[in-house]
Formats: sequence, structure tokens, C-alpha cells
Amino acid sequence: EAQVTQNPRYLITVTGKKLTVTCSQNMNHEYMSWYRQDPGLGLRQIYYSMNVEVTDKGDVPEGYKVSRKEKRNFPLILESPSPNQTSLYFCASSSRGSGANVLTFGAGSRLTVL
Amino acid sequence: AQTVTQSQPEMSVQEAETVTLSCTYDTSESDYYLFWYKQPPSRQMILVIRQEAYKQQNATENRFSVNFQKAAKSFSLKISDSQLGDAAMYFCAYSPYNAGNNRKLIWGLGTSLAVNP
Repeated sequence: EAQVTQNPRYLITVTGKKLTVTCSQNMNHEYMSWYRQDPGLGLRQIYYSMNVEVTDKGDVPEGYKVSRKEKRNFPLILESPSPNQTSLYFCASSSRGSGANVLTFGAGSRLTVL
Repeated sequence: AQTVTQSQPEMSVQEAETVTLSCTYDTSESDYYLFWYKQPPSRQMILVIRQEAYKQQNATENRFSVNFQKAAKSFSLKISDSQLGDAAMYFCAYSPYNAGNNRKLIWGLGTSLAVNP
């Protein structure tokens, strides 16, 4: 089944404890991105990647890092999480040939930083 | 800058009835894409329907159809024969045609749809 898989789905952590949210897609998509969803603010893009070793900042990159060492994986790294990073995170991917910019989303990762 | 506005934070509909969700957007581009995504309680973001701005014909997907008014920059979603499973948050989203390397979607804040039995 074609899908984007995120882990963990739920995580409660404490301020300053480094964590990684993994994202993997099995569709051979070139494009991958991360969004965060917050009440009243909607979905905002954190980082994106057009291909292996090519990443760039989105609208709200502060406090996050990403890497794209393999085409299928695009992990989101929080080096020193803070409570304002408590949010619902989505990974999404798209094929370069997807003319309508259609994104396939993962199921979301609910992160709470205490 | 492009923006997407959903003016109805909450709506409700009776099962089997029809409901229309509103969306307006602002852009100076002539070519772009518009989407409706559904987010049920499971939180999964599911594509409902998409529209290419250069197509005059309104997109339809089974019980879901859109009313795309390019001049008015309006993109409403009509759900016919509403079912209990349609209860969800619905998001309108915009993407420029020539997105370059970033296929970012610009999102509205969503409309929460309740379906009453």
C-alpha cells in the first residue's frame, strides 16, 4: 500500500531532551515536507526537500532540523524541544510528476513538550 | 502573499442532506491549484478533491463537487447526500502552478462539519 509512515504517533517529552520524528514513504517520491498544525494557526510548513541531500526552510523552521540522506526518509529533529513546539506534526510527500502538486500525508505525530 | 480564508468555523448538516462549505483565496497568479482536504477525528489528512485553475469545468468526485469561481476567487465544496462518515474538519488549500522546488500548500483554518443523524 502506498503510504507515508510517521513515528511515533504520540510522544510526551520534557524540555531539552532531543527527539526525532521519523518519516518514510514507499512511493519513490522526490518531494517531502514537514508541517505543524496548531489551533487558530492552521498548517504551517517547517522544512521541505526536493531530493536527496537537498533541503530548505519553510515558514517556521526555528528549533527544527531535517536531513534527507535517502530518498524514502525525511526525519524531523528537535535538538532541544521547548513547550512552544507542542503540536501536531505531519509529514507529506509528492511525486515530481504530480502536476497538481498533490501531497500524500502521514497520519500525524502528536508531540507534547513539558 | 497568497491567503486562504474559510469563513465558517463550524457547520452542521442532517444526514442525507446537502451542505456547502465556503472558501475564498487571494492570489495574483493566473495558474494555480485548489484543494479540499478532510481531517476526520483520526487526524489523517485526506484529499477530497482538487481543481486546476485553468480548467473551467468544476471538479467532481462522487458526492463531492466544487463551485469554482475564478473571477471571484471562490472555491466552495458541496457535499451531497451527507453521511455520518463525512463528519470532519475540512480544509481548503492553495498551491501555485509553478511552485518551483517547494510544493507548499497554503491552508485555510478549516471548517468543522457535524453530521446529525
